[in-house]
Amino acid sequence: KAGVTQTPRYLIKTRGQQVTLSCSPISGHRSVSWYQQTPGQGLQFLFEYFSETQRNKGNFPGRFSGRQFSNSRSEMNVSTLELGDSALYLCASNGENTEAFFGQGTRLTVV
Amino acid sequence: AQSVTQLGSHVSVSEGALVLLRCNYSSSVPPYLFWYVQYPNQGLQLLLKYTSAATLVKGINGFEAEFKKSETSFHLTKPSAHMSDAAEYFCAVTTNTGFQKLVFGTGTRLLVSP
Repeated sequence: KAGVTQTPRYLIKTRGQQVTLSCSPISGHRSVSWYQQTPGQGLQFLFEYFSETQRNKGNFPGRFSGRQFSNSRSEMNVSTLELGDSALYLCASNGENTEAFFGQGTRLTVV
Repeated sequence: AQSVTQLGSHVSVSEGALVLLRCNYSSSVPPYLFWYVQYPNQGLQLLLKYTSAATLVKGINGFEAEFKKSETSFHLTKPSAHMSDAAEYFCAVTTNTGFQKLVFGTGTRLLVSP
């Protein structure tokens, strides 16, 4: 079966712009989590969606937002980009027994 | 709240040697524990998981880990390292709270020399 698909793989944006990242989970999975990975902070939880509802949110500013559609695909949006937002953004498709399957990630570079 | 500590940001072994990557956790409720591997510019691949069944867990690529509640540890081992094992390894913890949030350690980079 198909894995977790994240698009795009690479993105370069300018400070102040906004960006939208997409994640298509494994078929049948209704929960999607997002993580930010940076050399300084490591892997940090952004938020989790289940059946179009945000169930949990990490400690990130309001510039970071997300949503989930009825087909379980999820998007995350970052507005007013800052240099420090440069990171690998990982999406996890969550199975029912707490297993998380990760996509390849989107590498965002803010210049 | 849960947390994970990985001892050693870098571990170097020779090909064929034992691999031991250390992970200690903290959790106020029974934890679920995971090891993930990450190759450069890739996502995370699940190696193995502990979810309160057998304490010795076998994973992919010859890796295994043992859950020791008394030591709050979940160390990852492999009897014989291969060059292809060179990667970064992350230990993670979560609980069965109804939503999925993994708390990761800082990672250990495994270097394998010929």
